[in-house]
Amino acid sequence: GQQVMQIPQYQHVQEGEDFTTYCNSSTTLSNIQWYKQRPGGHPVFLIQLVKSGEVKKQKRLTFQFGEAKKNSSLHITATQTTDVGTYFCAGVPSGTYKYIFGTGTRLKVLA
Amino acid sequence: DVKVTQSSRYLVKRTGEKVFLECVQDMDHENMFWYRQDPGLGLRLIYFSYDVKMKEKGDIPEGYSVSREKKERFSLILESASTNQTSMYLCASSLSLGDFYGYTFGSGTRLTVV
Repeated sequence: GQQVMQIPQYQHVQEGEDFTTYCNSSTTLSNIQWYKQRPGGHPVFLIQLVKSGEVKKQKRLTFQFGEAKKNSSLHITATQTTDVGTYFCAGVPSGTYKYIFGTGTRLKVLA
Repeated sequence: DVKVTQSSRYLVKRTGEKVFLECVQDMDHENMFWYRQDPGLGLRLIYFSYDVKMKEKGDIPEGYSVSREKKERFSLILESASTNQTSMYLCASSLSLGDFYGYTFGSGTRLTVV
């Protein structure tokens, strides 16, 4: 079936280091969303990407949608302890309307 | 702000019990969803509804049913709870399918079946 894989599953970084999580789909996606879930919390919507090659920024966060619309990445510059949590991507396979969530990347930031 | 409210934060039920998880949203969203979240498996869609009395199976509907009698309320029913249904259950809503503003999630219900 259609799958959306995320790597890495876990990442520990020192505060101030950069962090990147990657999202890969087995099929072409019409759009992709990113969510952040703080420990003990629920997923919160961050952003949606629609166009091939699209890049969007939110302060220290940079989101990218691949040219082939089968992968995406989230890059955090100079991580802070407030960045701790699990980051999920969610994509809609082309021709469908249901989001498929990735497995998530759990980020731990060491002060 | 859109608010999605789940009736219970924690729930402990016995094997074989019928369990109701309730979810209410207050922004007139068309679509509502039930997910379960398990470590290493991400969020998996159980059922969703795109209109009152309309429902569609997600990826893991076995052992579950849903009810949407009113637009703002979406209930998840475990007909006969089993230990493998111990999980975090998340309800979500969205204005439309493929909503640019994303899904709004409730705080979750952590269900333990003993």
